[in-house]
Amino acid sequence: DQQVKQNSPSLSVQEGRISILNCDYTNSMFDYFLWYKKYPAEGPTFLISISSIKDKNEDGRFTVFLNKSAKHLSLHIVPSQPGDSAVYFCAASGGANNLFFGTGTRLTVIP
Amino acid sequence: DTEVTQTPKHLVMGMTNKKSLKCEQHMGHRAMYWYKQKAKKPPELMFVYSYEKLSINESVPSRFSPECPNSSLLNLHLHALQPEDSALYLCASSQAEAASTDTQYFGPGTRLTVL
Repeated sequence: DQQVKQNSPSLSVQEGRISILNCDYTNSMFDYFLWYKKYPAEGPTFLISISSIKDKNEDGRFTVFLNKSAKHLSLHIVPSQPGDSAVYFCAASGGANNLFFGTGTRLTVIP
Repeated sequence: DTEVTQTPKHLVMGMTNKKSLKCEQHMGHRAMYWYKQKAKKPPELMFVYSYEKLSINESVPSRFSPECPNSSLLNLHLHALQPEDSALYLCASSQAEAASTDTQYFGPGTRLTVL
């Protein structure tokens, strides 16, 4: 049973616009959430994280929002750049450091 | 420096071969992980080592045998694999396992093909 879900397998955005990637989870015990970026044939690269005690975390062009009541988080990238084109994985953990990953969203930023 | 290295990058092996995957980190992390990722699927946890001791084995078949010789190294020994074991094998490390808020940093992976 998939505890972390990314319902959009792909997203295309024009360069300079905002990219919004969404993630939903089912386990209310999750208390730490991460976004990873992955290029083909490479391992996931850590992008940004958020603890369940916060509802927003910002790092440069990347902002993660957490809505605990809706069990939903999102990653905003603004402005989007062609180099942001990759697969983005949402992940969640809740003790024992077993990371649960979503199925990924392929972002394409069109120049 | 958040680098985790893995060797080899690619590996092709027959079902009767014995091979090993290697992972190394020099960040002083005390938790190390093996994940398996099939095409178009998310990474799935296989093993966790915490302070060089195996702490989690996610019901992985015994043809996969992990080893942690020291705090910087993690190996995955492979023997009598099946073609369905072909996947990208990812190593990760984090500061410590106890806190769920430790970020895991991943290596580039080893692309394994079993013929």
